[in-house]
Amino acid sequence: DVKVTQSSRYLVKRTGEKVFLECVQDMDHENMFWYRQDPGLGLRLIYFSYDVKMKEKGDIPEGYSVSREKKERFSLILESASTNQTSMYLCASSLAGRAGELFFGEGSRLTVL
Amino acid sequence: ILNVEQSPQSLHVQEGDSTNFTCSFPSSNFYALHWYRWETAKSPEALFVMTLNGDEKKKGRISATLNTKEGYSYLYIKGSQPEDSATYLCAFTANDYKLSFGAGTTVTVRA
Repeated sequence: DVKVTQSSRYLVKRTGEKVFLECVQDMDHENMFWYRQDPGLGLRLIYFSYDVKMKEKGDIPEGYSVSREKKERFSLILESASTNQTSMYLCASSLAGRAGELFFGEGSRLTVL
Repeated sequence: ILNVEQSPQSLHVQEGDSTNFTCSFPSSNFYALHWYRWETAKSPEALFVMTLNGDEKKKGRISATLNTKEGYSYLYIKGSQPEDSATYLCAFTANDYKLSFGAGTTVTVRA
């Protein structure tokens, strides 16, 4: 059974903390993505990566960074968490190319106090 | 930011009735159009990936059509069942790796 695993389902952090959200996929996918989901706004792309050590900004990269040191792992980093980063974060992966379907993790709900 | 719009935002349908809803996207630089179903407490799951103008895809009672020249896709649910209740997301890829999503149409099927 193919899987995208996100390290934490629920996190509560304080403003200013550094936050790491980890995502691991076991499908040998080249592409990996981080989205955030907010009510009424759908899924918004934060960053994506189409190869190890490659990263590209999505539509809302401000306040975030990413790391892809290994093919199976894509980390989202909040250098200094702020309350407006309270959200549901979804990781996804897909095969190489631009038309592969995405496989999603279960999501990480982050609350920043 | 690519403008992907879905309408309506939500709809209610009686069990056994059919329904459809729309996704509109930029018609220039089209590469692919995706549909996903997102059930409560689960992860989004792919329904269709469509790349050709005029493409029609079907999975059970759910089907989708694609018009890339005018920039829209329809998703149809025939004979709705309670298990069809979910948020349906469409997503658009242009000539890059970005996949931009619409806000979704939430379907509630009344028994």
